[in-house]
Amino acid sequence: TQLLEQSPQFLSIQEGENLTVYCNSSSVFSSLQWYRQEPGEGPVLLVTVVTGGEVKKLKRLTFQFGDARKDSSLHITAAQPGDTGLYLCAGLLYGQNFVFGPGTRLSVLP
Amino acid sequence: NAGVTQTPKFQVLKTGQSMTLQCAQDMNHEYMSWYRQDPGMGLRLIHYSVGAGITDQGEVPNGYNVSRSTTEDFPLRLLSAAPSQTSVYFCASSSDLYGYTFGSGTRLTVV
Repeated sequence: TQLLEQSPQFLSIQEGENLTVYCNSSSVFSSLQWYRQEPGEGPVLLVTVVTGGEVKKLKRLTFQFGDARKDSSLHITAAQPGDTGLYLCAGLLYGQNFVFGPGTRLSVLP
Repeated sequence: NAGVTQTPKFQVLKTGQSMTLQCAQDMNHEYMSWYRQDPGMGLRLIHYSVGAGITDQGEVPNGYNVSRSTTEDFPLRLLSAAPSQTSVYFCASSSDLYGYTFGSGTRLTVV
């Protein structure tokens, strides 16, 4: 059983479309991170959210941390082929370590 | 800056062989971790270290050993390779647990 669930597992969209991917858990996290991973490379940190209800924007990407600090979403506006990759969320459990979700594999077609 | 450097990038081992995956970081980070990535399972923590001389087990430590004699280096040793250890291994470091910097990975196949 995964501590962090991500949905959808796969997503294929056309360039210019909007999308939202989700990261959910029954556990409370002290912080949550989103990473993007490209084939043959390690994950690259996109953002860290710390406060419940926090919203952060990174160009066309909007990240939200749930009020109860158990879930998060990533919204991409006007997706581009360069957004293609595996999106991973990772939650830091209080006094413990990071746990990673299985990822959402996004493909943006030109 | 090189960031986190992992070697080798690819490795094929026979069952029962041992080897060491190397990891070095040049950012003076205290926290270092080893993860394995398998399809559909995300990244799972093998071992981690909060500073030189201090290591601890993660979620899937069996069959692996680590040591941290310096801040920069955190090698992962496979004691007796098994096919179940076929995976992609990532080393990561962090200064404050607000975000990891990952290496580019080692793809290991055990036959």
